[in-house]
Parts: sequence; C-alpha cells; structure tokens
Amino acid sequence: ETGVTQTPRHLVMGMTNKKSLKCEQHLGHNAMYWYKQSAKKPLELMFVYSLEERVENNSVPSRFSPECPNSSHLFLHLHTLQPEDSALYLCASSQGVGPGGGYTFGSGTRLTVV
Amino acid sequence: RKEVEQDPGPFNVPEGATVAFNCTYSNSASQSFFWYRQDCRKEPKLLMSVYSSGNEDGRFTAQLNRASQYISLLIRDSKLSDSATYLCVVGDYGQNFVFGPGTRLSVLP
Repeated sequence: ETGVTQTPRHLVMGMTNKKSLKCEQHLGHNAMYWYKQSAKKPLELMFVYSLEERVENNSVPSRFSPECPNSSHLFLHLHTLQPEDSALYLCASSQGVGPGGGYTFGSGTRLTVV
Repeated sequence: RKEVEQDPGPFNVPEGATVAFNCTYSNSASQSFFWYRQDCRKEPKLLMSVYSSGNEDGRFTAQLNRASQYISLLIRDSKLSDSATYLCVVGDYGQNFVFGPGTRLSVLP
C-alpha cells in the first residue's frame, strides 16, 4: 500500500463506548497529525507528532487520546464522546516544511456519536 | 483576527471563466504556503505549493505577496471538474500548518 491509510472509514459509537482510530503512512514521513473537520468549519489541528514525540496538543479534551508507537503508525483513542464530537477525523503526514512539502492526508474516518 | 482567512465564497462561474481566490495570513514568520483542493466528502489533496517568485501549473497560477501577507490562486479556462473547495494552507518552522476555512467553487455548464 502507498500513501496514508485510515481505518475504519465510518464509525458509529455510543457515548459510553471506547473505540480507536488507526492511521498508517507508507511515505517515510517524520511527522503525523490528527485533524478534525466539522461541517462548515475549517480543519482543526488536534495533535502533532514529530519523530514519535508529541509536539502539539491544541487544547483537545481528554476524551481524545493519541498514541504514536512508531513513525508509521498513529492512533486516536476515543472514550465517552459527546454528540458534538461527530465529525470527519483526518490523519496526515509530512516530511519537513518548505517548498515541496505539505501534507498527505488519509481518506478520513467519519465518526458519528449517538 | 483569524490566522488564515479566505474569500467567503461560494464562487459560481461558467465553464471557461477565469476565477481568482485570495487568502491572507497573520503570522509574518510563515515559511511555507500551499493550495489544497477538497472534493465533497473527500480528503484534502495538495494542488500546488506557492513559491516566492510565483508559480504556474497548467491552468493554475499561484502568487505570494509576503509584504502584504497574502497568497492568491488563479484558475484559467475553468472546467466542470474544478468544482471543489479550495483551501489555503500556511506553515511555520514547527511543521504546524494552519488551514483557511476554504472557498467553494462551482463551475457551471
């Protein structure tokens, strides 16, 4: 496989459930990201991992817990979510900053909290 | 002031028209600039990087004005397949990319 792969593509979960989103990149990139995209809102950065170290956490509620076991894999663990957490969750990876850089996104997980 | 702002849109243009999008950013230390395109219910995909000298890729031309802190995207001879949301993205040294809210384009037959 190439690029950035996210699973599952769709997820429906109750507010008391625990689930995990998975992201895998096959590009040899050194940074991985979780973004949230809600309807009619810009993409919101949630977490940044660079060389497997978390470097950014944009005041995300603790019911979202990221994990980066190695440079190719990124997880987002979910527990006791709220209906307003329903959104498209996008994983991305990048290799540095500068001309020619930029993100490669996965296809996203569309999450619905009921 | 928001970090990255874009034309509110939507833009509805006929096929063959030329359309321009503008994007302004607030962080004067920004180092990298991109335009992404996002189709409905799909992930964003890189359209083009924006270089200081401006750059062109077929029908698409991107410009950067550091003094005024804005970038632009010009689409010439627009096609139906250009219909999408165009996202301006600005990055700093810390691998932090900030996305604009996007401008939706509909190219009409």
